[in-house]
Amino acid sequence: GIQVEQSPPDLILQEGANSTLRCNFSDSVNNLQWFHQNPWGQLINLFYIPSGTKQNGRLSATTVATERYSLLYISSSQTTDSGVYFCAVEKRIGSNYKLTFGKGTLLTVNP
Amino acid sequence: NAGVTQTPKFRVLKTGQSMTLLCAQDMNHEYMYWYRQDPGMGLRLIHYSVGEGTTAKGEVPDGYNVSRLKKQNFLLGLESAAPSQTSVYFCASSYPRSRVYNEQFFGPGTRLTVL
Repeated sequence: GIQVEQSPPDLILQEGANSTLRCNFSDSVNNLQWFHQNPWGQLINLFYIPSGTKQNGRLSATTVATERYSLLYISSSQTTDSGVYFCAVEKRIGSNYKLTFGKGTLLTVNP
Repeated sequence: NAGVTQTPKFRVLKTGQSMTLLCAQDMNHEYMYWYRQDPGMGLRLIHYSVGEGTTAKGEVPDGYNVSRLKKQNFLLGLESAAPSQTSVYFCASSYPRSRVYNEQFFGPGTRLTVL
């Protein structure tokens, strides 16, 4: 099946710093989503971005589908940005619609 | 809209007991999914459904059964719980607006411990 690798696995920042999280995938995909899992365990949709660039406030994401990677940018980080960031890709084969998740990047933002 | 809801939020079972997890969505989504999340890993698909009355196996279906009798509900059953099924379970739903658009939305999760 498709492999999804996220880097770095762990990241510690001081409040106000910028960061880039990377997601590499091993095959062409139909869809790609970025999620934030907060310390309470809730999964929050950040971006639905199979290709191109999107921005939402301090967060932006870019997917280069032809080169099989996606980047999540966090600018001026805040302590509330702490948590695990997951990349998930969907490769549709017949009626198989599942998302394949990476193992995540654990982000800690210190005050 | 409540979005995707899950009941219960927490549950502790003894080995061999059975239980059913309920997922409900009020977004009129066609597709629904059950995932499990284990420490240090992302989510893995257990079963999914592309419409009322239909279900299909995902990546890790063994030990689980599902039913989709109503469009808005997707049930996950454990007939004889095992300690290996200790996990956090997430339900998700989606409504493909085209052949390629299929953004999934997740519920808050159910934390299950099997002793």
